Amino acid sequence: DQQVKQNSPSLSVQEGRISILNCDYTNSMFDYFLWYKKYPAEGPTFLISISSIKDKNEDGRFTVFLNKSAKHLSLHIVPSQPGDSAVYFCAASDSGTYKYIFGTGTRLKVLA
Amino acid sequence: DTGVSQNPRHKITKRGQNVTFRCDPISEHNRLYWYRQTLGQGPEFLTYFQNEAQLEKSRLLSDRFSAERPKGSFSTLEIQRTEQGDSAMYLCASSSTQKTLRYGYTFGSGTRLTVV
Repeated sequence: DQQVKQNSPSLSVQEGRISILNCDYTNSMFDYFLWYKKYPAEGPTFLISISSIKDKNEDGRFTVFLNKSAKHLSLHIVPSQPGDSAVYFCAASDSGTYKYIFGTGTRLKVLA
Repeated sequence: DTGVSQNPRHKITKRGQNVTFRCDPISEHNRLYWYRQTLGQGPEFLTYFQNEAQLEKSRLLSDRFSAERPKGSFSTLEIQRTEQGDSAMYLCASSSTQKTLRYGYTFGSGTRLTVV
């Protein structure tokens, strides 16, 4: 069963506009969430995280929102840049396991 | 900090052969993870170690797979009697317990296995 889902396999956005990537989860025990970014031929790299005690976390152009009641999180990138073109994975963990479960990824393409 | 190193980067093997991959984590990290990624999927958890102890193995890991982390340093993942379905990118990652939840893991670049 897929505990972490990213239902949009791909997204195209114009440079300078907002990119919104979505992620849903099913396990109510998850209390930590991450977003990773992956370029071809490289391993995923950490982008931003949020814990369940918060509903928003910002880091520069990147903001993650968490809606616990809907079991939904989203990553906002503003403004989007061509260098942001990559595959983005959300991941979730419960603090008792220290093990992250990953979604299937969304390929973001930022058009110049 | 040289990051997480995985060798080899690519491996092509014939069905039925055994293969072994190596992962060198960041030296101060006590946790080491193995994931597998196939085309169009996200990384799938295989197993993880805290120091030299293997704490969890996924049901995905059949008896043909074995992982070790002697002395809590580098780790090896061995696949015996490879099958075409084993073709995937094998990712290693490491972290420190204190930072895992807040900062996740540091991944290596992966070993791409092709079974022909």
